[in-house]
Amino acid sequence: ETGVTQSPTHLIKTRGQQVTLRCSSQSGHNTVSWYQQALGQGPQFIFQYYREEENGRGNFPPRFSGLQFPNYSSELNVNALELDDSALYLCASSLGGMDEQFFGPGTRLTVL
Amino acid sequence: EDQVTQSPEALRLQEGESSSLNCSYTVSGLRGLFWYRQDPGKGPEFLFTLYSAGEEKEKERLKATLTKKESFLHITAPKPEDSATYLCAVGTGTASKLTFGTGTRLQVTL
Repeated sequence: ETGVTQSPTHLIKTRGQQVTLRCSSQSGHNTVSWYQQALGQGPQFIFQYYREEENGRGNFPPRFSGLQFPNYSSELNVNALELDDSALYLCASSLGGMDEQFFGPGTRLTVL
Repeated sequence: EDQVTQSPEALRLQEGESSSLNCSYTVSGLRGLFWYRQDPGKGPEFLFTLYSAGEEKEKERLKATLTKKESFLHITAPKPEDSATYLCAVGTGTASKLTFGTGTRLQVTL
């Protein structure tokens, strides 16, 4: 059974640029959630995708957007990067509903 | 708004010294309480899900319990490899949104 994978592992961007982060869900899982984790904080919910549709969103501006593909992999896109966007971005997959969410290793984004 | 508070922020134990971590929560309709372990620079690793008050779950040296207002993660005779940040999260609503606490950083020394 393949776990959740994310790419890239690290990324450095400058303010104003755009970034795309990728996630492959665990085999058999149809739901992907994205979280932002600042240093020393718990993860914060960005949004969730279920069967290619957005299924809930946290308190993040519209410049944070996402996609889920038919194979249940997912992308997180962030436009007009700001310094405060520097964080660990985590993807978690689950089998819908309130099943346990299994996290990937994360992408460390640094905005200069 | 859902709130999760974890205490203490940091805990240092000697090997074999048992203790408990606390997670108190305020939510409108708890659907599940989750415990995760996170090592530095890595994603959270799932430990337990608790659904109703009175429920308990165990895994090796860890035992999680749940009341209507809080959850405890009991660590019995910890070893240095138990050193990590332990995160508590609540699930509410129709989407599988998890609201996390800020975690307890546990260090176990020889």
